[in-house]
Amino acid sequence: DAGVTQSPTHLIKTRGQQVTLRCSPKSGHDTVSWYQQALGQGPQFIFQYYEEEERQRGNFPDRFSGHQFPNYSSELNVNALLLGDSALYLCASSLGRDYYNEQFFGPGTRLTVL
Amino acid sequence: RKEVEQDPGPFNVPEGATVAFNCTYSNSASQSFFWYRQDCRKEPKLLMSVYSSGNEDGRFTAQLNRASQYISLLIRDSKLSDSATYLCVVLPSGTYKYIFGTGTRLKVLA
Repeated sequence: DAGVTQSPTHLIKTRGQQVTLRCSPKSGHDTVSWYQQALGQGPQFIFQYYEEEERQRGNFPDRFSGHQFPNYSSELNVNALLLGDSALYLCASSLGRDYYNEQFFGPGTRLTVL
Repeated sequence: RKEVEQDPGPFNVPEGATVAFNCTYSNSASQSFFWYRQDCRKEPKLLMSVYSSGNEDGRFTAQLNRASQYISLLIRDSKLSDSATYLCVVLPSGTYKYIFGTGTRLKVLA
């Protein structure tokens, strides 16, 4: 049973560039959430996708956008990268339309912006 | 005020010790509560949910005090393998937005 997978594992970009991160949910899961975790901080909720729609968004600017595909996989796009976007980006998958279902996290993508 | 606050630690304790972490939350409408564990440079993993009546899982006990808006985690008989960061997580009622605390670092010493 494959868990949550993310790609790439590491990425280095320069300010102003754009980046796309990818996530495949755990088998059987249909909901994907994205989080940003800066060094020494807890994960911060970016947004959640369900049925290919963004159904909740955290306090992140419009530079952060996403997409969910019919196979439930998801992408996170960040435009006009800033130094402060350097962080670990975590994807979490869960099942169903309920408010609470256990979230399973992927290993993350470590983004460095120079 | 932060939505979820935790003492960042680190808590350095000897093997076999009992250690307790507290977490406070600001949104009184919060509905669900959890403790996650995160090892260094790894992803968070669910340790346990926190129920109103309190709950126990082996050496771990979680408590919820809704009146005072805090959650606690007690670890008994600490093992070296318990060394990690413990994240308090709150899910407000009617939302899908999980709110994480900054985490409390625990180091169990031989």
